[in-house]
Amino acid sequence: GAGVSQSPSNKVTEKGKDVELRCDPISGHTALYWYRQSLGQGLEFLIYFQGNSAPDKSGLPSDRFSAERTGGSVSTLTIQRTQQEDSAVYLCASSEATGLAGAREQFFGPGTRLTVL
Amino acid sequence: AQSVTQPDIHITVSEGASLELRCNYSYGATPYLFWYVQSPGQGLQLLLKYFSGDTLVQGIKGFEAEFKRSQSSFNLRKPSVHWSDAAEYFCAVGASFGNEKLTFGTGTRLTIIP
Repeated sequence: GAGVSQSPSNKVTEKGKDVELRCDPISGHTALYWYRQSLGQGLEFLIYFQGNSAPDKSGLPSDRFSAERTGGSVSTLTIQRTQQEDSAVYLCASSEATGLAGAREQFFGPGTRLTVL
Repeated sequence: AQSVTQPDIHITVSEGASLELRCNYSYGATPYLFWYVQSPGQGLQLLLKYFSGDTLVQGIKGFEAEFKRSQSSFNLRKPSVHWSDAAEYFCAVGASFGNEKLTFGTGTRLTIIP
């Protein structure tokens, strides 16, 4: 079946502009995650959605970052007033609900490469 | 808080030689452990995972990893590398209860020489 998809694949924007990044998880997966991969850095957790529960926003680096998930499926990550340090690859992942607590296998999308000029 | 250390930023191996990539984790209980591979321009692909049970786990593409609780390690191994194994490898740890997020190491870039 289809994997996790993300759009756009590349986004170039000017400093100060707002951007929206989209993620379509695997059908039936109730958990959705956003990570950021900066040059020379590992993957940094941003936010996590699980079903109808309140999202875990503990990884968002500033209040310029927000995310929503509509209808328990598609998610949009919004970065307002972009800064050059926001340049990175933004990865989305999804996982299914196994009934077990804790971390589960996450399936990653190809990412969106954001460049802020 | 959980953390992962991958001490080798870059490793070069000859094709056909054996490979071991190191991963050390920090977590207060039995962790869930993962190895992912990222080829240039590609997304992350899961190689293998450890949740419980046998401490030697087999993955795809001929990879295996061994969970050693006493050393807080989860090293990735392959007996004979192929040129197509050149990629970036990430070790990750997840909580065995509660928190869903994965904490990743900074990655090891693998170069294969003929």
